[in-house]
Amino acid sequence: QVQLVQSGAEVKKPGASVKVSCKASGHILSDYYLHWVRQAPGQGLEWMGWITPNGDRTNSAPKFQGRVAMTKDTSISTAYMDLARLTSDDTGVYYCVTDVTRGGKHWGQGTLVTVSS
Amino acid sequence: QSALTQPRSVSGSPGQSVTISCTGTSSDVGGYNYVSWYQQHPGKAPKVMIYDVTNRPSGVPDRFSGSKSGNTASLTISGLQAEDEADYYCCSYTASDFTVFGTGTRVTVL
Repeated sequence: QVQLVQSGAEVKKPGASVKVSCKASGHILSDYYLHWVRQAPGQGLEWMGWITPNGDRTNSAPKFQGRVAMTKDTSISTAYMDLARLTSDDTGVYYCVTDVTRGGKHWGQGTLVTVSS
Repeated sequence: QSALTQPRSVSGSPGQSVTISCTGTSSDVGGYNYVSWYQQHPGKAPKVMIYDVTNRPSGVPDRFSGSKSGNTASLTISGLQAEDEADYYCCSYTASDFTVFGTGTRVTVL
């Protein structure tokens, strides 16, 4: 059973950074682009960016460029999403998902990030 | 990069058909055959229902179907069932190698 298991909920202060991890079973991180998607409370899905299967390239939505870093450690089958300079607008659930553009079959369970002073 | 436009809500009685539209531009929906549709129940992660405009993953009932005409993609649910009540999002590949989601549609089974 292929799974993506994400790290637990986080509470951060404005201006801080958060790092969310996404651990994969099997070799799916080596086979697929890994995307990050977020969902603010009561709102829709928002695409953040992707990292290639071998981790050599990333691409992110214009609104996150300069503030998001996506990395992966293939030796432990884990991907990471780092978001800096948090504001209250960054509060929401963050998901990792494989190949969301081509029918993302594997989703993490989501990580709630709360930004509050 | 603007979200794709979907109706806020659609509804139907059990057994009826409903269609959700997803309107973009020639730089996303109209330019590529990479449109997916996701179903999301409250508190759950999304689930893919259609990919590459018309393809249905194994395990998805054949009453879900997808199509595209010009800059608008559509998801049709035939024979609506109670468990189909959920939020639905379209998703498209775009120029510059980005991805964009639709605004989301709440499907209500009357």
